[in-house]
Amino acid sequence: KQEVTQIPAALSVPEGENLVLNCSFTDSAIYNLQWFRQDPGKGLTSLLLIQSSQREQTSGRLNASLDKSSGRSTLYIAASQPGDSATYLCAVRPPRGTGGFKTIFGAGTRLFVKA
Amino acid sequence: GAGVSQSPRYKVAKRGQDVALRCDPISGHVSLFWYQQALGQGPEFLTYFQNEAQLDKSGLPSDRFFAERPEGSVSTLKIQRTQQEDSAVYLCASSLDQGAINQPQHFGDGTRLSIL
Repeated sequence: KQEVTQIPAALSVPEGENLVLNCSFTDSAIYNLQWFRQDPGKGLTSLLLIQSSQREQTSGRLNASLDKSSGRSTLYIAASQPGDSATYLCAVRPPRGTGGFKTIFGAGTRLFVKA
Repeated sequence: GAGVSQSPRYKVAKRGQDVALRCDPISGHVSLFWYQQALGQGPEFLTYFQNEAQLDKSGLPSDRFFAERPEGSVSTLKIQRTQQEDSAVYLCASSLDQGAINQPQHFGDGTRLSIL
């Protein structure tokens, strides 16, 4: 059974700092891995999607890497800003044969960037 | 061009009542997912539609939960005889491709359901 774990559960950093959020998953058989951002009282906003055949994806100050064999992904945020404060979730999409159409989410990392 | 729209945003019901939650996906999106999110947790999968076909309902907690997407666009999640443990945020997501394999899922802001 696929399980997704995110460490740390919460993180507080000063503005301008570079930071890394971690995501691990127990079954390396995945279609893709997606990183989301969730603001309080809102839905999830897709940040980056990495296919199983890819190693990383970049968008602006964000870079996500994927190491399927070790079951790990990291989200790197450069030059953090107060507006980056939110909960960041990772999710894996297992192959249909094993997980149907389920997407499995981690519990998220709550990030607070201090001005 | 709008995103995924969910209504109502908030719903309060008494235990035992039936509720219906609506999701309007992005136009043209084939895939539609329903999730349940408890406070401080990630979303938990409930069910998946590909157009009008419900291909996976393995995440529905009990037979009190029922979802439909009769014309392959708008979807409704219905909960019968609500119980306090049904209190949660219910999220809907849509994706352009089948199964959201190559395309990201786009989420609505959710319906916050409170059962008294």
